[in-house]
Amino acid sequence: KQEVTQIPAALSVPEGENLVLNCSFTDSAIYNLQWFRQDPGKGLTSLLLIQSSQREQTSGRLNASLDKSSGRSTLYIAASQPGDSATYLCAVRGDDKIIFGKGTRLHILP
Amino acid sequence: GAVVSQHPSWVICKSGTSVKIECRSLDFQATTMFWYRQFPKQSLMLMATSNEGSKATYEQGVEKDKFLINHASLTLSTLTVTSAHPEDSSFYICSARDHQFNEKLFFGSGTQLSVL
Repeated sequence: KQEVTQIPAALSVPEGENLVLNCSFTDSAIYNLQWFRQDPGKGLTSLLLIQSSQREQTSGRLNASLDKSSGRSTLYIAASQPGDSATYLCAVRGDDKIIFGKGTRLHILP
Repeated sequence: GAVVSQHPSWVICKSGTSVKIECRSLDFQATTMFWYRQFPKQSLMLMATSNEGSKATYEQGVEKDKFLINHASLTLSTLTVTSAHPEDSSFYICSARDHQFNEKLFFGSGTQLSVL
């Protein structure tokens, strides 16, 4: 059974710093991994999608990496801004099911 | 990018009533839609997978007679919470998979259900 873990559960950093969010999964037989952000009481916004054959994806200040063999993904946020404050979720797809981690609540201090 | 519209955004209802939530893919055909529930400060929990033209597949512990899912067309799936009770109060989110976008998931904006 696939389990997805996100560490840390919460993170506060000063504005301007670079930061890394971690996601680990127990079953490496995945099709893809997707990172989302969720603002309080809102739906999810897709940030980056990494196929199982890919190592990383980049979009603006965001970079996501995938190491399938070790069951890990990281989301790197460069030059953080207060608007980046949100909960970040990773989701792993395997066997037509998508399993979410519990998320990392990120707070960027102005 | 693809857009998924979910309606209503929030609903308050009396205990014992039924509530229907709609999820539409606006500019793509979604053969598969997913329904999630999220309690405060918890992660999204998959409730069921909805395939167009067939019965939904429910996750363990989710009552299929209580959470009725209909996916009658390639652009619309509905979730009906029947005989709602206060413990059903939660944030419900639908998502659809767009095969033209490398299987990327797109989410609706969610529905906050409060049962009095």
